[in-house]
Amino acid sequence: SQQGEEDPQALSIQEGENATMNCSYKTSINNLQWYRQNSGRGLVHLILIRSNEREKHSGRLRVTLDTSKKSSSLLITASRAADTASYFCATASGGSYIPTFGRGTSLIVHP
Amino acid sequence: DAGITQSPRHKVTETGTPVTLRCHQTENHRYMYWYRQDPEHGLRLIHYSYGVKDTDKGEVSDGYSVSRSKTEDFLLTLESATSSQTSVYFCAISDRTGAGNEQFFGPGTRLTVL
Repeated sequence: SQQGEEDPQALSIQEGENATMNCSYKTSINNLQWYRQNSGRGLVHLILIRSNEREKHSGRLRVTLDTSKKSSSLLITASRAADTASYFCATASGGSYIPTFGRGTSLIVHP
Repeated sequence: DAGITQSPRHKVTETGTPVTLRCHQTENHRYMYWYRQDPEHGLRLIHYSYGVKDTDKGEVSDGYSVSRSKTEDFLLTLESATSSQTSVYFCAISDRTGAGNEQFFGPGTRLTVL
């Protein structure tokens, strides 16, 4: 069963625009991760944010975490066609170190 | 995908036949995982390993078994394949627990059970 659920399920934007994806989860977490999956490939780790952190940046990526609302967002600024992929959030909670993945957001960036 | 290979990459088999998928890593990571990915369910954990000969069940382990005799190899076996096991299977590895458990994924195996 999914712990994290991404929203929206699909997102279509033009190159240069910003893309925002959200992840909501149900129980307290140790950390939350975001992954990217290009079509036909394995998942690639993007960023990890710990439960005591509120915001992290990595290049054009910005992740926020609001533990009071049990939600996270991934912002991709100045999107490129190469950002077209599915994006997944994954949460680890309780005594488990194994992340549980959501169903993902499919992002299409039109050139 | 660097450091993790899966074989075969594609396989078509018939219901009732045994199937073994192999995951091989060159990173010397302690933890290895098998997931299946389906459009309606997303990515789900089948089995995982926390060391040589140390394995445990995940969310959807029924119909699957695993073995890990060496650090670098993690095998997933479908003893008697069923059509419901048609899926894309991913192997993943990680080297840390707790707050730093980033996973690295293999390229996947597409399995079709007729």
